[in-house]
Formats: sequence, structure tokens, C-alpha cells
Amino acid sequence: DIQMTQSPSSLSASVGDRVTITCRASQSVRSYLNWYQQKAGEAPHLLIYAASSLQSGVPPRFSGSGSGSDFTLTISNLQPEDFATYFCQQTYSSPLTFGGGTKVEIK
Amino acid sequence: EVQLVQSGAEVKKPGESLKIPCKASGYGFTNYWIAWVRQMPGKGLEWVGLFHPGDSDSRYSPSFQGQVTISADKSISTAYLQWSSLKASDTAIYYCARYVEGQFSYYMDVWGKGSTVIVSS
Repeated sequence: DIQMTQSPSSLSASVGDRVTITCRASQSVRSYLNWYQQKAGEAPHLLIYAASSLQSGVPPRFSGSGSGSDFTLTISNLQPEDFATYFCQQTYSSPLTFGGGTKVEIK
Repeated sequence: EVQLVQSGAEVKKPGESLKIPCKASGYGFTNYWIAWVRQMPGKGLEWVGLFHPGDSDSRYSPSFQGQVTISADKSISTAYLQWSSLKASDTAIYYCARYVEGQFSYYMDVWGKGSTVIVSS
């Protein structure tokens, strides 16, 4: 199985900050890497697919980069509605696996 | 609008059976895989399996193989996740999601709100 490791597991940030979350795969997943946002009590929803493609309707302050084993999700100009938990996911090989999550909290 | 509608909470006893639905609307149900994802209380996301309503192909995570069954009824655009004998450790929220296979990308683009399963004696 491909292990997905996210860091940090949590962070505190202020509105307007630039936030970067990293995701490392235990082996190459090429660009088969997605990012999801989950707010408390809600279902996850897709932000970024194929490592860097912005899902329709997602604000452009979200961006993704990387390929192979190392990926980043960047939120520029953090907004109040961005405080949530973020998960990466590889869909390169079965079983599909998620990272452990990064909780973004208000400083 | 593409939607996946899931049922509400289910409270069951250990050993009981359960089948939870995921009703799709707004797209060709037989053209996309349906994924199921588990989230145990306070924990992260775990992939359970995939089912393709078009040809009934299924794929399971080794962690869930033999523990659950995924199926679908094309006539009512509904996918199902079922257990024959529940355990307390099955207590979780179960999400269904549409799984898109693009040219160089595979992802879950639309999610249901989740079904809460509570197994307790």
C-alpha cells in the first residue's frame, strides 16, 4: 500500500496568511494526487485534482503543486471559511489512500 | 445538479445486518464509479471500495474485503453498502462519492452528506 504522510498535522494561522500543507507519498504516485477540504460536521469536498488542477467553483486562492512523491497545497490570503481539515489522497494505485489530515485553526 | 443523497443515522446491535443507500441524480448513473469512504469518530478518511453500476465491476480495499458488499440498482440509480453481521468497530460515518476517471486523473468530485452507522448493544 502507498502511505500518504501529511505535515503538519495541525497549524494555527490568521486571516490573510499564506498557508502551505505538504503531502509525501511512500512511492511515486505521478500526478494522481487530490486534495479535499472537510469542515466540521460536513462531508469532504474536492479542491484540487491531478496535483494542480483547480476543481470548478473552488476559489483561486487554493493551489496545488508537485509530482512524484512530494506535493503541496497552498492557500493564499486565508479566509474565515478556510478553517477546516485538509486531506490529500492518491489514486495512482489500489488501495486508494488518504493522508492523515491537516487541521487549519484560527490563531 | 449532480447529487448523491444518503440516508440518516442507523442504530443497530452487533450481529445485525444493514444496507445503506446512496441515491444519485443529475448525471448518467451507469457512466461513473461510486466510491465508499469510512470516517470513524474523530478520525481520518479510509477508502472502502468502488462499484461501477454500468458493468457491476467492484474493487475493495483489502481492509474491507469480505467485511462489506457494495452493489447498485440501476433502475433507481442507487448504490448500496451492506453488512451481514455488524460489529461495534463498524461505528462510523460512511460517505458515498462519485469517482471520476479522467485521462490522467482519478478523483471523487461529488460527495453525499454521509450516513452515520452506530453499532451498540
